[in-house]
Amino acid sequence: DTEVTQTPKHLVMGMTNKKSLKCEQHMGHRAMYWYKQKAKKPPELMFVYSYEKLSINESVPSRFSPECPNSSLLNLHLHALQPEDSALYLCASSQKGTPLLGTEAFFGQGTRLTVV
Amino acid sequence: QQQVKQSPQSLIVQKGGISIINCAYENTAFDYFPWYQQFPGKGPALLIAIRPDVSEKKEGRFTISFNKSAKQFSLHIMDSQPGDSATYFCAASIRGGSEKLVFGKGTKLTVNP
Repeated sequence: DTEVTQTPKHLVMGMTNKKSLKCEQHMGHRAMYWYKQKAKKPPELMFVYSYEKLSINESVPSRFSPECPNSSLLNLHLHALQPEDSALYLCASSQKGTPLLGTEAFFGQGTRLTVV
Repeated sequence: QQQVKQSPQSLIVQKGGISIINCAYENTAFDYFPWYQQFPGKGPALLIAIRPDVSEKKEGRFTISFNKSAKQFSLHIMDSQPGDSATYFCAASIRGGSEKLVFGKGTKLTVNP
């Protein structure tokens, strides 16, 4: 199983709503990521969890709140978003980087988020 | 120093032709270079990856060529097919370093039938 599963696939939310994006992987990967992707742009790293601990926060606004309940699950809690936050949100996972292995991240299909 | 420069931005190739996408980097600490393929509305999918101790890696119709001294690497798609039409991203990371992938800006490939 080389799948990263994201739910929901599509989400429309108002600026005062609270919602959560979910991500699950069963590959035994110990690094999990949230990326944001705008149209015609590369994925932009938001957060990295390594062994269930937040290891990288790319100065993301606090209206995005990540959570890693266990080694297989990753959530992204959303609150008071702005229309400019509309994007494809991608979850990814990888084996923990080692001197032999680079970061081959496996991506989910993404959640298409629209903030109205 | 973290940048990976990718060209061209878009590429149109006839069916059966060779598609070539180029990437260059500055940070010599990068030592792992994956390529991703992304179809519209889907997440990026890992296509092929290379380490700098190898000058070429081939998987089916996809080949990565690596020039360590020039700090450049490229993706060649042989016998390009309409189903290869997608956006391709090169990326770079540091083995054993932080789990941070640096992406190129992407190349939109269109293969005409």
